[in-house]
Parts: sequence; structure tokens; C-alpha cells
Amino acid sequence: QVQLVESGGGVVQPGRSLRLSCAASGFTFSNYGMHWVRQVPGKGLEWVAVIWFDGSNQFYVDSMKGRFTISRDNSKNTLYLQMNSLRAEDTAVYFCARDRGFGELLRYNFDYWGQGTLVTVSS
Amino acid sequence: QSVLTQPPSVSGAPGQRVTISCTGSSSNIGAGYDVHWYQQLPGTAPKLLIYGNNNRPSGVPDRFSGSKSGTSASLAITGLQAEDEADYYCQSYDNSLSGFVVFGGGTKLTVL
Repeated sequence: QVQLVESGGGVVQPGRSLRLSCAASGFTFSNYGMHWVRQVPGKGLEWVAVIWFDGSNQFYVDSMKGRFTISRDNSKNTLYLQMNSLRAEDTAVYFCARDRGFGELLRYNFDYWGQGTLVTVSS
Repeated sequence: QSVLTQPPSVSGAPGQRVTISCTGSSSNIGAGYDVHWYQQLPGTAPKLLIYGNNNRPSGVPDRFSGSKSGTSASLAITGLQAEDEADYYCQSYDNSLSGFVVFGGGTKLTVL
């Protein structure tokens, strides 16, 4: 069965960096676009970024462009989110999610989600 | 302020029908992009409930249905059950500069 397991969250000081990972299993990871979505505790969902199935393209929500980098290692079936210059407002649960499309066809909606990893930015 | 607008809360008694609205604009729903719905039970990850406006993934009961018209969409739940109590989010694609994927602010469904 499809499984997505995030890790790497924790408490980090403002201005520091953190890298999140999402280990995928139960499907051919290299065939699917992947996304990061975040949720401030008690609030709604916010899309962060997408990466193509082969890593050839990445797109970000404007507010995170330049600070966050999405990447993937298809040989390790793992998705990453490098977060730099973290701010208090980046405190959230970060979910990885699989795009419902296949290969080059991205559908920009999500059929499987991980359980999320909590990032707390605080001094 | 979410790009898609949902009511903060709705409620209904067991067995009743409830609807949740999702209002967008000409850069997302009104531009013809599909609407998708997710259910988030307390303390869990979101789950795809409806995709492509009115399609249910395997395993989702037919009590859940979606529709779309103009710049709005709706999720209907019939035969309300206690386990339907959750947060529901609509989602679409947006062709403006701010981003690709947009969500509604979420609607808390309370089963009375």
C-alpha cells in the first residue's frame, strides 16, 4: 500500500535552517509528481511546492520562493524540503503528498498524504 | 485569507443532508479548473474525498458528492453519520501569480 512518512521536524530558532524528508513506499516513486503542503496548527491548508516526477521542474508559492527548496532522490524514494531563514510564521505541520497525475501529467491534487511532521520556529 | 471561501462551520443531525460551499473567482474555479475536496479527521492527515468536481476515489461512500457551477462548488453529504464529523477543504488550481494550488479555509462539520 502507498505510504508516505515525513521526518525531520522539530524546534528550530528563527533564521536557522531545517531539512524535511518524506520516504515513499508502495508505489513507483519516480513516476509521480510530489508536493509539500503545510498546516498551521488549528488553521487551514497551504500549498508549499511541487516537483516533477523526474525532478526537472519545481514551483513554489510566492511567499516561500527563495527560502524553500523542494528536491527528490528517486534512487532513495525520498522527497525533501530544505527550509532556510525560518520565521515564526513557518511554524506548521508539513505534509508531503502525491500528485494524482502520472509522469509528466500533473493534476495538482493529492491522492495520498503522509502523516505530517511538525516544525516549530521559536527562540 | 484563503483564496477559496468556505463557511467556517456547518452542522446537521444524523441522517440529514448537509452541503458545504466553496466560492472562488475567475482565476481558479471560474476559469474552468476542477475542484477537489478533502476530509480531515481530528489529528490526522487530509484524505481525498472528491476529485475532478464530482468523482469519488475507491472506498469513499456514495453519500459524498460534489458539484461545480460558475465560480463555485459544493460538497453534499447525505445520511449524515457521527464519523463524518471532520474538517472539509476544497481545493483548486489558480492561474494567478500567487501560486498554483489554492485551498479553501476549511469547514468544520459537526454532527449534532
